[in-house]
Amino acid sequence: EIVLTQSPGTLSLSPGERATLSCRASQSVSNSNYLAWYQQKPGQAPRLLIFAASKRATGVPDRFSGSGSGTDFSLTISGLEPEDFAVYYCQQSGTSPWTFGRGTKVESK
Amino acid sequence: QVQLQESGPGLVKPSETLSLTCTVSGGSISDYYWTWIRQSPGKGLEWIGYFSSRGNINTKYNPSLESRVTISLDTSQNQISLNLTSVTAADTAHYYCARDGVAAGGAFYYGMDVWGRGTLVTVSS
Repeated sequence: EIVLTQSPGTLSLSPGERATLSCRASQSVSNSNYLAWYQQKPGQAPRLLIFAASKRATGVPDRFSGSGSGTDFSLTISGLEPEDFAVYYCQQSGTSPWTFGRGTKVESK
Repeated sequence: QVQLQESGPGLVKPSETLSLTCTVSGGSISDYYWTWIRQSPGKGLEWIGYFSSRGNINTKYNPSLESRVTISLDTSQNQISLNLTSVTAADTAHYYCARDGVAAGGAFYYGMDVWGRGTLVTVSS
């Protein structure tokens, strides 16, 4: 199965700062269309932010952007808002079983 | 607005079968991958499998659970069911159903864009 390694484990930033989250796959994700990013807040289900590596889901602010291909992907939050402090997961659907990374926690400094 | 709601017992005894239902409201159950995911502190987010109502009807399961899991669809009730047999404490988790599939620009992409709120299932005697 494809293992997704997310780094860093925790990112401590202040509101307004830029956050860059990394997701590295153990083997190439067969098509970048199969890489998604999710945000999860305590007590809530994950929320889809990005699909197909770079497409924003409906209602997602444009401060969220995704990029990458092959084995290296990233999620950037251009200026952190208070509601953006959460855990972020990458997920691939290119090779069964679908797998998730272990997450990056973005916390307020 | 499509909404998903999981339901089922919150406590299951070891060696018994975990059975959950996800009810879909506000939209069609056709043309998507209806997926179950679970989340536990130790294992993070784990994809259990899906039932596809797109094109050829089929299921796909995580090989780590395949011998114990069944996902089925009841289109008359707009429900997706999960059965997991021979449970152990390792199956204790929050269980989520989700709709996998985003239609954008005339194309279909994978992405779990609608989730239920999840239900905690504890395996204990």
